[in-house]
Amino acid sequence: QQPVQSPQAVILREGEDAVINCSSSKALYSVHWYRQKHGEAPVFLMILLKGGEQKGHEKISASFNEKKQQSSLYLTASQLSYSGTYFCGTENGAGSYQLTFGKGTKLSVIP
Amino acid sequence: GAVVSQHPSWVICKSGTSVKIECRSLDFQATTMFWYRQFPKQSLMLMATSNEGSKATYEQGVEKDKFLINHASLTLSTLTVTSAHPEDSSFYICSARPYNTEAFFGQGTRLTVV
Repeated sequence: QQPVQSPQAVILREGEDAVINCSSSKALYSVHWYRQKHGEAPVFLMILLKGGEQKGHEKISASFNEKKQQSSLYLTASQLSYSGTYFCGTENGAGSYQLTFGKGTKLSVIP
Repeated sequence: GAVVSQHPSWVICKSGTSVKIECRSLDFQATTMFWYRQFPKQSLMLMATSNEGSKATYEQGVEKDKFLINHASLTLSTLTVTSAHPEDSSFYICSARPYNTEAFFGQGTRLTVV
């Protein structure tokens, strides 16, 4: 079942913040976040496994709610290099290995 | 991290011909690899799961006779698009999850059928 991502697109000025959401109707085993630039392979950002987990690196962080049905990606003080399409990939069960990706959120950061 | 190498990066072929795309794991053994297709401005859609030494598992709606997958070794999976048509033009990308953590993607192959 494909996770639902929102918003579909967002335009930011450098330095502004953004939140991208990913939700599922059922509890997930894990959620992954990737960023893809046009014509390139997706680049891994982070993975969340535990309900209530929050993690981050520099100005990009993510959370996974207690019920493990909703995750958010937080981009703070955005930079031009943050532009791209962000996908969440969800894993339904342990050992399934298979990821189902949301439709993506196109983020454009302008000067 | 693990390295997945996909070849070619792009290919243009005539309608009716077949095209083979290779996906190699360079520094790990991959018993399972995943093949995705991505149309412009759309999501990555899983086509099939490639299993070393056995038949691939195809997602609903994906024609297995048209998209032939072979995973004959622990480091190589191939996707052959047979009798390609313009509607098969897309970005094809493979991935593996060797450590059951993040997915490592190949560089992708842009297929254009003319």
